[in-house]
Amino acid sequence: EAAVTQSPRNKVAVTGGKVTLSCNQTNNHNNMYWYRQDTGHGLRLIHYSYGAGSTEKGDIPDGYKASRPSQENFSLILELATPSQTSVYFCASGGGSSYEQYFGPGTRLTVL
Amino acid sequence: GEKVEQHESTLSVREGDSAVINCTYTDTASSYFPWYKQEAGKSLHFVIDIRSNVDRKQSQRLIVLLDKKAKRFSLHITATQPEDSAIYFCGVGDNSKLIWGLGTSLVVNP
Repeated sequence: EAAVTQSPRNKVAVTGGKVTLSCNQTNNHNNMYWYRQDTGHGLRLIHYSYGAGSTEKGDIPDGYKASRPSQENFSLILELATPSQTSVYFCASGGGSSYEQYFGPGTRLTVL
Repeated sequence: GEKVEQHESTLSVREGDSAVINCTYTDTASSYFPWYKQEAGKSLHFVIDIRSNVDRKQSQRLIVLLDKKAKRFSLHITATQPEDSAIYFCGVGDNSKLIWGLGTSLVVNP
């Protein structure tokens, strides 16, 4: 079974603080994705990666950075967190022959 | 860029009836159309997909229909059961990237 894990699962941050969300996959997939999910907006792509060392901007990259130091790990970084970044964040891996994306359990981030 | 519209935001059916969720898209070059399910408080998981080289695919009680001319595809859930209650998301894209619909909340009433 494909496995994607995220940490932390819940995070409360202060406005202006730095937040790092981590994702690890054991699927050996080339592609990894960061999404945020908000009521009324569905799933929106923030950043994605085609492999170690690569990051690409998704549809809503402003205020976020990403880092892919290895095949297994993909991080999302909020340098200066704002309340508008309060959301549930999902990491996913994919790019295999089945085209399927495998999602992690999600991180609930609250920025006060 | 690609835009995806998921037409039903909520759908309520009686147990045993069929449910149909519709999505439309704008980019004729899109080739991959998956459906994902999200149960309350949980993450998303894949349920079924269709690629642009076919117009129908079935997996047990799930059927996906693709109309490339109309740029429309639909998920049919037959003989619905209470455990089908969830939010269903359609996706459009390819092997590298997907654009998602806003989701349809399906409620199956006993």
